[in-house]
Amino acid sequence: SAVISQKPSRDICQRGTSLTIQCQVDSQVTMMFWYRQQPGQSLTLIATANQGSEATYESGFVIDKFPISRPNLTFSTLTVSNMSPEDSSIYLCSGVDSSEAFFGQGTRLTVV
Amino acid sequence: TQLLEQSPQFLSIQEGENLTVYCNSSSVFSSLQWYRQEPGEGPVLLVTVVTGGEVKKLKRLTFQFGDARKDSSLHITAAQPGDTGLYLCAGPSGGSYIPTFGRGTSLIVHP
Repeated sequence: SAVISQKPSRDICQRGTSLTIQCQVDSQVTMMFWYRQQPGQSLTLIATANQGSEATYESGFVIDKFPISRPNLTFSTLTVSNMSPEDSSIYLCSGVDSSEAFFGQGTRLTVV
Repeated sequence: TQLLEQSPQFLSIQEGENLTVYCNSSSVFSSLQWYRQEPGEGPVLLVTVVTGGEVKKLKRLTFQFGDARKDSSLHITAAQPGDTGLYLCAGPSGGSYIPTFGRGTSLIVHP
């Protein structure tokens, strides 16, 4: 399956600032997603990253807080804006190929 | 949204023990996937089951898809500390390819 390189792997950020997470896939992928995960818990879908158009957000997530870009079929970014301690979590990007998902390594974000 | 109920949520066992993790739904899934996630890493696909009643083996791991394609199980024989991790089942939601994930089973195998 395809390989996703995600960076940064971790970061500690001040509240009120923004962090942009990048994911690069080694092949073209039709569908890409962004998830949030608390350690040891399941994945919560933030949004579907649509190539060349606005992302599709799940309930509870908005574009102003989590702007997403997907300029082509191999790259996407998620920005966590105006961060607060409640945004501390693991953020994962994912691609799907024939119903099978593959993931980046995750970004462990701590907001202080 | 089709829901996947996963149990148990936590499992702490000794090396050499056997265990089974369950993934259940009231909906039919065209396929189900099992993933394992180790700390600091993203989930990694272990297997996909597609056919009702299908059994797949991956070394000491045995995966089964229910006849009605509404449930699946993962059985680990003679667990080892290297099996420690979060096990997630997932399946395509409705008519889309967006995976729905179970809540996960956190497994710790003590040496």
